[in-house]
Order: sequence, then structure tokens, then C-alpha cells
Amino acid sequence: DQQVKQNSPSLSVQEGRISILNCDYTNSMFDYFLWYKKYPAEGPTFLISISSIKDKNEDGRFTVFLNKSAKHLSLHIVPSQPGDSAVYFCAASDSGNTGKLIFGQGTTLQVKP
Amino acid sequence: DADVTQTPRNRITKTGKRIMLECSQTKGHDRMYWYRQDPGLGLRLIYYSFDVKDINKGEISDGYSVSRQAQAKFSLSLESAIPNQTALYFCATSDPGQGVGEKLFFGSGTQLSVL
Repeated sequence: DQQVKQNSPSLSVQEGRISILNCDYTNSMFDYFLWYKKYPAEGPTFLISISSIKDKNEDGRFTVFLNKSAKHLSLHIVPSQPGDSAVYFCAASDSGNTGKLIFGQGTTLQVKP
Repeated sequence: DADVTQTPRNRITKTGKRIMLECSQTKGHDRMYWYRQDPGLGLRLIYYSFDVKDINKGEISDGYSVSRQAQAKFSLSLESAIPNQTALYFCATSDPGQGVGEKLFFGSGTQLSVL
């Protein structure tokens, strides 16, 4: 059973608009959530994270929202830029501050100029 | 120069062959990981090591083994490759105390095809 799910395989938005990527999870013991971005032929790179005791974390154009009661988190990118086109992975940890992560399937974001 | 280097970048092998994927890092991190990515499944943890003398199985370790030769080197072996081990393999490192959640630093990946 997939503990972290990204139900939208792909998303397309216009440059300058908001991109919202969603992630659902089933394990209430997850204590950290992270988003990674992956370009073709490269490894994933860390984007932003949030602790389970928070409901929002912001870093420039990127904001992650956590709704624990719904077991749902989302990544907002405002404004979206063509360089944001990539695969975005949601990941979660139930083992404290370690790199042992459970990843979602990924969502491919396309930002059109 | 890449901080986390994986070799080879691409590998085609036949069923039953033993192969090794290598990973080296210059980040000075103690913690190293091997993940594999499959379409529609995201990344899954194969093995991890928190220091040179520490080796742990991840979610999908069957059919794999690892060796931590030094702080900077962590290799993954497929003892007898099978077609469903065809995947994109990533090595990663991490450093505790880097803030909220432990960031992973990934190599560029090894695309393995088992025929």
C-alpha cells in the first residue's frame, strides 16, 4: 500500500499563474514532509520541507501547506516560471530527522510561456 | 565537479549477471543511501548506511547487497540480476542537523536495464 500518494501524474499551468501540487498520506506517524524537484537526467534536489507540528512553511515563491486532519499537503508555486517545469516528488519521514524517506509517485509540472 | 558521483550512468546487462553500481561523495557526509525509481512508484529505499560500520536494509532490499568501503564510497550490487530490477538507481547522502527534515543530496542516477 502506497503511504504517500500524488494522485495527479501531471499538471500544466501558464507562466505567472499559481501551480498547486497535491500529496496525500496515510501514516499519522510521519513527522517531516519534504518536496523534491527532478529535472531529466539529474537526481532529485531538495525544495522545501515542513514539520508535522507546523501548518505552513514558505520559501520565496514556494509554500508548503500541511493539513494533518486531512492527511494532505500541498506545494504552491507563485508565480510559476518555465524553469519550474520538472517532476515534483512529495516525501515523508516517520523515523525522525533521517534520510529514510517514503516518496510519492511524482507529478510532472509543465509551465507554459 | 558533482558532490555525489554515480558510475556508470547507464548499464545494460543480462539476466543472471552480477553487477555493481558505485557511488562516491565529496560532501563529507556520514549517511548514504541507495534508492530506485520506477515509473508510477516514485523512489523506494533499498539500503542505507549511517556510518562506515553501519548497514541497514530499506524497503526493498531483496536481491541487492551493499558495501560501505569508506565514508565516501557506497556501492550497490545485484547478485544475480533479473528483468524487474530494471530501474533508475540513485545514490544519496545526508547530514543530520540540517534543519527541518533531513535533506538528501542525490547523484545523477544510473539507468540499469536487465535483459
